[in-house]
Order: sequence, then structure tokens, then C-alpha cells
Amino acid sequence: SAVISQKPSRDICQRGTSLTIQCQVDSQVTMMFWYRQQPGQSLTLIATANQGSEATYESGFVIDKFPISRPNLTFSTLTVSNMSPEDSSIYLCSVVIRGNTGELFFGEGSRLTVL
Amino acid sequence: AQKVTQAQTEISVVEKEDVTLDCVYETRDTTYYLFWYKQPPSGELVFLIRRNSFDEQNEISGRYSWNFQKSTSSFNFTITASQVVDSAVYFCALSVASGTYKYIFGTGTRLKVLA
Repeated sequence: SAVISQKPSRDICQRGTSLTIQCQVDSQVTMMFWYRQQPGQSLTLIATANQGSEATYESGFVIDKFPISRPNLTFSTLTVSNMSPEDSSIYLCSVVIRGNTGELFFGEGSRLTVL
Repeated sequence: AQKVTQAQTEISVVEKEDVTLDCVYETRDTTYYLFWYKQPPSGELVFLIRRNSFDEQNEISGRYSWNFQKSTSSFNFTITASQVVDSAVYFCALSVASGTYKYIFGTGTRLKVLA
């Protein structure tokens, strides 16, 4: 497995502001994803974070709202821009570790509440 | 397109009962991977098992067992002699080897084990 650190673990934000979530992994990863989990719901893939290039977004998610960076193999950021109460959710960083058999490992999540 | 269905939204059992969580998947790919994850009340997602499409052997790990049947596109999870600590939301997930690696999650089954 791997240690996946996400910051912040939780935050309360005001409507209209933006927040950047960081994800740092202590192992080499082959793939890195960002998921959203709304209260009581399943996991929805926001995007695949690509090293050194633009992220690949899923339907319903756009770069202007959720800009993502991944400058190297082990670090990525997700920004939630111009937040509204509908963005209140848990945001999860997940990775596939190089040399492993393809299972996803998750960070502890960042719980955002937008007022 | 890929899809994972967990028809059981919530299950309640009394401690020491056996319980089976159902998972049905859809994919046209011949190479794919199936997973189960546990999300206890603390929120962290815990990887339980990975299965590839070419390995239909059932697996047992302690009180946990998994039954993979390609004929019915199912990957069911049984907990024997359930314990209160098994109370959690359990997610089944699918990823395919072709194209972009995406991990598709089911909607989850909330298991409540009552003392």
C-alpha cells in the first residue's frame, strides 16, 4: 500500500471562494484520480490527473470549475473554484501504485462544507 | 459502457449471522478487474480484494469470501459470522484494461450489524 496525505482534511468555506486540495503520495504511482463523494452517495470520478499535462475530465466536470495540476508522479492538487453549497462534499485523491496489481488506494479525503 | 449495480441499499443483520452483498457488473471488455472496498463510519476507503476477469476462483480470507461468476456477471461478497465492526458501507468497483483506466463504483451497500 502507500501513504496518501490529503490537505486540508476538512474546511468550511464561503460561497464564491476557491479552495485547493493537495495530495501527496509516498510511493511512485502510475495513475492518480480525483473523486467526489457527496453525503451518503457513491464515488464519482471527477478527473484523471495526468503528469505534466492537462487532466482528463469526466462528463459533467470542467477545468474551469475543477482545475487540477500534477507536476510530478507523487503530487497533485485539485481546486474547487467559485464554490456553492452544492460543492459541499468529500473530495478523494486516489492512486494506483507502480508495481502493484492495479488496486486503487485512497487518501482520507477532504471534507468541504460551503456556506 | 461499464456499469456496476449494487441493488441492496441497506442490510441489517444480527451479530453472528452470515450476510451476502451482491454486485452485478456490465462491460463488453474481456479483460477487466473487480474490486471490493469497505468504508467504515470513519470514512476511509479500505481495499479488500481485487479479481481479474480470467480468474474465477472463489477466494476466502478469514470471515470474508468472494464468489465471482462470469456467467451471471456477478461478484458477490459474503461475511460469515458478522461482527459489529463489519458495519460499514461496502462498494463494488470495476475497471477495464482497454483505453483509459477508469474505476467505476457501485452505489454501495450499507451493512448494519446489530449486537
